[in-house]
Amino acid sequence: QVQLVESGGDVVQPGRSLRLSCAASGFTFRNYGMHWVRQTPGKGLEWLAIIWFDGSHESYAESVKGRFTISRDNSKNTLYLQMTSLGAEDTAVYFCVRGYYGGNTDFDYWGQGTLVIVSS
Amino acid sequence: DVVMTQSPLSLPVTLGQPASISCRSSRSLVHSDGNTYLHWFQQRPGQSPRRLIYKVSSRDSGVPDRFSGSGSGTDFTLTISRVEAEDVAVYFCMQYTHGPFTFGPGTKVDIK
Repeated sequence: QVQLVESGGDVVQPGRSLRLSCAASGFTFRNYGMHWVRQTPGKGLEWLAIIWFDGSHESYAESVKGRFTISRDNSKNTLYLQMTSLGAEDTAVYFCVRGYYGGNTDFDYWGQGTLVIVSS
Repeated sequence: DVVMTQSPLSLPVTLGQPASISCRSSRSLVHSDGNTYLHWFQQRPGQSPRRLIYKVSSRDSGVPDRFSGSGSGTDFTLTISRVEAEDVAVYFCMQYTHGPFTFGPGTKVDIK
């Protein structure tokens, strides 16, 4: 069965960096685009970034463009989110989400999420 | 960005009764390819979102047929024909016709 397991969430100080990982299993990871989405009680769900199946293209929300980088290692079935210059507004639960591979797979599977708290 | 609004934001329902949630977008969600990329998600307490409906009205595998989606253009509806206790959750609509993809604020469904 499809599984997405995020890790790397932590408490970090403002201005610091953090890398999140998402281990994928149960499907052919290299065939699918992938997303990162975050959720806060105040702002709700916010789409952050997408990466093409082969890593050839990325796109970002304006709120994280230039600070966050999505990447993937298809040999390790792993998705990453490198986050820099973190601020209190980045405090959230971060989800990796399966994306497109023909058909109707966009946003069909979500990980359990990993919590990032930005606080001094 | 496309703004997604939902109403109501809170919906107390009686078990066995129907429930409807409205979702509106600030611009048409019809893509140039002719599809309308509007999803509905269910998020139960303490869980990740689960996709229920894709492209307005197609139900995901394993989703009970009491859930249905309808609408077009900028106006969409999620309907639960007979609410069951397990349907207590927050329901979100989401568009991915236009980047950046955006979500509605969520509608909290609970039992009266």
